[in-house]
Amino acid sequence: EAGVAQSPRYKIIEKRQSVAFWCNPISGHATLYWYQQILGQGPKLLIQFQNNGVVDDSQLPKDRFSAERLKGVDSTLKIQPAKLEDSAVYLCASSFSGSGELFFGEGSRLTVL
Amino acid sequence: QKEVEQNSGPLSVPEGAIASLNCTYSDRGSQSFFWYRQYSGKSPELIMFIYSNGDKEDGRFTAQLNKASQYVSLLIRDSQPSDSATYLCAVGGLSGSARQLTFGSGTQLTVLP
Repeated sequence: EAGVAQSPRYKIIEKRQSVAFWCNPISGHATLYWYQQILGQGPKLLIQFQNNGVVDDSQLPKDRFSAERLKGVDSTLKIQPAKLEDSAVYLCASSFSGSGELFFGEGSRLTVL
Repeated sequence: QKEVEQNSGPLSVPEGAIASLNCTYSDRGSQSFFWYRQYSGKSPELIMFIYSNGDKEDGRFTAQLNKASQYVSLLIRDSQPSDSATYLCAVGGLSGSARQLTFGSGTQLTVLP
């Protein structure tokens, strides 16, 4: 069974530039999550989708972050403009039924200079 | 603000010993509890979940939950060097639901050969 796919694995940008991350969940998983993990911290939920609807985006900085999940399958997370404090690993995860049993992708490491 | 507290470590144990990892949480309404393992530079992977008070065993791993004390722990018996990783405690709301899933900062475990 293919796992959660993410790209790019690494991205380096200047502050105020924009960046986009892509995620394809495990086939059949209706629930998709984007987490931000800053070095030395646990993952923090940014947004949760159930199919193509948003379940929770309470911690998403909406002035600069946006996410979409068209057709209820793959998803894109965008940051525009980036700030230094956005340097982190962006983890995409999926689950079959919205349970806490999450399957994570390998992550996208963002460095903002 | 829901909080999940873990000792950051590092926790070092000799090979073959029992490693004990602890986690406390602030929200008394929490009903689902997860342990994720994260190797350096990798993404988290689920190793255990527990929903009811008491112990739950899976191979060398035992999860223990005490809701009255708001305490959850993970025991690793016969620790191996391959168990060296950061262990993340995650606490959620409705049983099994990933909504409001809050991660701790993790405990770094080193198993010494």
